[in-house]
Amino acid sequence: EVRLLEFGGGLVQSGGSLRLSCAASGFTFSNYAMSWVRQAPGKGLEWVSSISGSGTSTYYADSVKGRFTISRDSSKNTLYLQMNSLRAADTAVYHCAKGDYGGYVFDSWGQGTLVTVSS
Amino acid sequence: SYELTQTPSVSVSPGQTASITCSGDKLGDGYVCWYQQKPGQSPVLVIYQDNKRPSGIPERFSGSNSGNTATLTISGTQAMDEADYYCQAWDSSTVVFGGGTKLTVL
Repeated sequence: EVRLLEFGGGLVQSGGSLRLSCAASGFTFSNYAMSWVRQAPGKGLEWVSSISGSGTSTYYADSVKGRFTISRDSSKNTLYLQMNSLRAADTAVYHCAKGDYGGYVFDSWGQGTLVTVSS
Repeated sequence: SYELTQTPSVSVSPGQTASITCSGDKLGDGYVCWYQQKPGQSPVLVIYQDNKRPSGIPERFSGSNSGNTATLTISGTQAMDEADYYCQAWDSSTVVFGGGTKLTVL
């Protein structure tokens, strides 16, 4: 059974930094692209970033490019999202998601971790 | 940037067919997938590659994609299908979600 468990959310001031982690189990982690998707309170889903299975290719939404960095550690089966220069608009539940069928179909999701940026 | 447009809300009576649409420029040239999200829960993939159902998704869920419009169809809608539904596509290594459709079963 695929399991994705996010950690690291919390309350941070505007301009601050936070690192999210996602512990994966139940599948061969290095074989799959992974992504972060966020959902602001009461709003829809917004893709944030994706990383290839090997970790060599990364992709970002324009809204976070230059501020967020996605990475992965296959020895720990863990996905990361380093978030810098946080803004109030980054307040959301952040989900990690496993990609399949080319990497951009999210067939498993974590329960999410809440990031609140205070202004 | 690429955009996907969904009708904000759709209502359907139990047992009837619900159709949820997603529109985008030349959407039919690529693949679309659909997610179901119930309150307080994480999204669940219900359709991928336009019309394929993951294991465990009931047969009443089906999908199509042609031209500028993709459609998620729920046949014989049940009360448990009440949820938000999101379409998703990708373009030039960018993932795009539709704004979501709230399906009400009443």
